Amino acid sequence: GAGVSQSPSNKVTEKGKDVELRCDPISGHTALYWYRQSLGQGLEFLIYFQGNSAPDKSGLPSDRFSAERTGGSVSTLTIQRTQQEDSAVYLCASSRVGGGPETQYFGPGTRLLVL
Amino acid sequence: AQSVTQLGSHVSVSEGALVLLRCNYSSSVPPYLFWYVQYPNQGLQLLLKYTTGATLVKGINGFEAEFKKSETSFHLTKPSAHMSDAAEYFCAVKVDGGTSYGKLTFGQGTILTVHP
Repeated sequence: GAGVSQSPSNKVTEKGKDVELRCDPISGHTALYWYRQSLGQGLEFLIYFQGNSAPDKSGLPSDRFSAERTGGSVSTLTIQRTQQEDSAVYLCASSRVGGGPETQYFGPGTRLLVL
Repeated sequence: AQSVTQLGSHVSVSEGALVLLRCNYSSSVPPYLFWYVQYPNQGLQLLLKYTTGATLVKGINGFEAEFKKSETSFHLTKPSAHMSDAAEYFCAVKVDGGTSYGKLTFGQGTILTVHP
């Protein structure tokens, strides 16, 4: 079946602009995660959605970052007033459920460059 | 909170040689442990995972890892390296409960280079 898809694959933007990154999880997966991969910080957790529960936003680095998940499926990560330090690869993952040893399946990522 | 340390940001081996990538973790509760591989410009792919039970875990592409609780380690090995194994490898830990519920905590990654 189809894996996790993300769009766009690459995004170049100017400092101060807003960007939206999209994630389509594997069908039927109730848990969805966003991670950020950057040279200086490695792979960092950003936010976690599980079903209809309130999301775990504990990894969001600032209030410029937000995410939503509509209808328990597609998710959008929004970065407002982008800064150069936001340049990174943003990875989305999904799993059947959030708890236990469930495997998280990753998308190919969106490579964001802020000029 | 849990953490993961991967010893060696770069490992270089010859084709056919043993691959050993080291991972140590810190967790106050029993962890689930994962190894992921990332090829250039791609997402992460699961190699193997430890949940409970047998401590020697076999994964895809001939890789295996052994969970050693006394050493808090989960090293990844492969008896004979292949050129196609060149990639970046990430060790990760996950626990149930508390503020860490659901999320993976990753090590810094190890880039594996395979020489002909």
